[in-house]
Amino acid sequence: QKEVEQDPGPLSVPEGAIVSLNCTYSNSAFQYFMWYRQYSRKGPELLMYTYSSGNKEDGRFTAQVDKSSKYISLFIRDSQPSDSATYLCATPHTGKLIFGQGTTLQVKP
Amino acid sequence: DAGVTQSPTHLIKTRGQQVTLRCSPKSGHDTVSWYQQALGQGPQFIFQYYEEEERQRGNFPDRFSGHQFPNYSSELNVNALLLGDSALYLCASSLGQLETQYFGPGTRLLVL
Repeated sequence: QKEVEQDPGPLSVPEGAIVSLNCTYSNSAFQYFMWYRQYSRKGPELLMYTYSSGNKEDGRFTAQVDKSSKYISLFIRDSQPSDSATYLCATPHTGKLIFGQGTTLQVKP
Repeated sequence: DAGVTQSPTHLIKTRGQQVTLRCSPKSGHDTVSWYQQALGQGPQFIFQYYEEEERQRGNFPDRFSGHQFPNYSSELNVNALLLGDSALYLCASSLGQLETQYFGPGTRLLVL
């Protein structure tokens, strides 16, 4: 079992839709969680990070952590074609980042 | 303020050859981590350098080695290249081993 699991998609939605991206993790020692966005042929860009259970909002993006079920989510409101990218969830553990497989999102105009 | 930079951007090698990839960290950062990202996969941790020493290593063979220089820049060396080494190699820098990591654009390596 991978330490962080993520459905690779691809996920295709129309412009303006609400997008839900999800990851599960296996180790209850994981405390911090990040979402990175990676455009094609580019390096990952840090989008959001969270520590505790609950929601964290930043503009159109909301990160949610449910530690009781070991489930993390990223919601994108009013999705735009420019949001088309691969979204990677990650957790730091002893200084290294453990990534999920990434979910490829396409937002169609 | 320059972010993380990597060179070269693309590289083509043949099996058995050796390759060196380079990384300059974000200004003010002292820790460099290297990741391998195969097509369609998330990045996998190779190793981390801090104070010119390898501090942590992932599940990669000894063919993968690295170095950190006094100016905090870093190199990743891969010997005896295999077809399976074809991937995007990412460098990430941070201020300290446990802090947020910021990624460079990567070097895309193709082994033929």
